[in-house]
Amino acid sequence: DAGVTQSPTHLIKTRGQHVTLRCSPISGHKSVSWYQQVLGQGPQFIFQYYEKEERGRGNFPDRFSARQFPNYSSELNVNALLLGDSALYLCASNPDSPQQYFGPGTRLTVT
Amino acid sequence: RKEVEQDPGPFNVPEGATVAFNCTYSNSASQSFFWYRQDCRKEPKLLMSVYSSGNEDGRFTAQLNRASQYISLLIRDSKLSDSATYLCVGESGGSNYKLTFGKGTLLTVNP
Repeated sequence: DAGVTQSPTHLIKTRGQHVTLRCSPISGHKSVSWYQQVLGQGPQFIFQYYEKEERGRGNFPDRFSARQFPNYSSELNVNALLLGDSALYLCASNPDSPQQYFGPGTRLTVT
Repeated sequence: RKEVEQDPGPFNVPEGATVAFNCTYSNSASQSFFWYRQDCRKEPKLLMSVYSSGNEDGRFTAQLNRASQYISLLIRDSKLSDSATYLCVGESGGSNYKLTFGKGTLLTVNP
């Protein structure tokens, strides 16, 4: 079975721009979570979606938004990019258990 | 105070050594706990869940003490392949689901 896939793998944007990151969960997984990981830190929880509804939200500004589609894939959107948004963005899916299966991530660089 | 705090590390140990990682959490609403492993420039992967009764998987033993809000991971007979960053994770549910990662502790096992 394919694992969690994310696209793109790398992205370079400039301050003030908008970015959309995409994630496809493992087949059969209905829950998708998004994390931001800055170098030297653990992943920080941004959102979790379950059956297209937001189930949890971390301490991120409103510039961050997400949605989940009927096929359970998900998008993370970040508006008005700041230099501090440069990070590895990880998507994870999970079945009905809490175990998270992570994708390889999208490395975002904001210049 | 961070919700999940880990030993800052890094740990450098010889092959065959026993190494212990400690983690404390401040959110008493946290329901489940896990240890994840993250190799350099890779995504985190679940190592093991943590139960109050303690659980063991081969050379790895995890323990949860809810009274002290303390989680531990013990690695016995460490191998070169154990070199990675170990992340302590707490899960809280309810109306706002959240998964909180610690900063991670880097382990290097030397020949």
